[in-house]
Amino acid sequence: DQQVKQNSPSLSVQEGRISILNCDYTNSMFDYFLWYKKYPAEGPTFLISISSIKDKNEDGRFTVFLNKSAKHLSLHIVPSQPGDSAVYFCAAASGGGADGLTFGKGTHLIIQP
Amino acid sequence: DAGVIQSPRHEVTEMGQEVTLRCKPISGHNSLFWYRQTMMRGLELLIYFNNNVPIDDSGMPEDRFSAKMPNASFSTLKIQPSEPRDSAVYFCASSLRTPGNIQYFGAGTRLSVL
Repeated sequence: DQQVKQNSPSLSVQEGRISILNCDYTNSMFDYFLWYKKYPAEGPTFLISISSIKDKNEDGRFTVFLNKSAKHLSLHIVPSQPGDSAVYFCAAASGGGADGLTFGKGTHLIIQP
Repeated sequence: DAGVIQSPRHEVTEMGQEVTLRCKPISGHNSLFWYRQTMMRGLELLIYFNNNVPIDDSGMPEDRFSAKMPNASFSTLKIQPSEPRDSAVYFCASSLRTPGNIQYFGAGTRLSVL
């Protein structure tokens, strides 16, 4: 039973446009959400996070939106750049994020020139 | 800081052999996590430690898997005996165990069991 779902295995976006990556979760106990970025042969790298007490968090080109009633979050990247091409993982945790993370299966973002 | 260091980066072994994966967390971090990534199951938590004590090992697949953290700067994940279905990338991560804190991942160990 997948508690964190990323339904799009891949996404292709033109350079300069907005990339929107989506994530759904089922566990109501999750109260902390993160996005990680992963390049081949490297470990996941933290990108941005959001607590369940907020509905938006922004960091430069990256914004995460949380809709608790829909159990849905999204990552917006604008403008998209070639270096953004990677696999993006959505992760969730309970207890404010002090414990282990539950990951989605990832979305492969491809930025086309 | 050098980040989370895992060794070896690649391991190829034969079925039935013992495999030991190693992890050095970021200095000062008090939580350490072991994850496994496979095509079928994605990234899944195996076990995590807080202050060198195992807190949750419910993700450990079988008794063939064991993990230790003898001190704050070193952890091992052992598989004995190994099986082909254990082939995966194993990641170690560390963090400060406070709400809202970030887990930092190592580069992973790619294990192939033939």
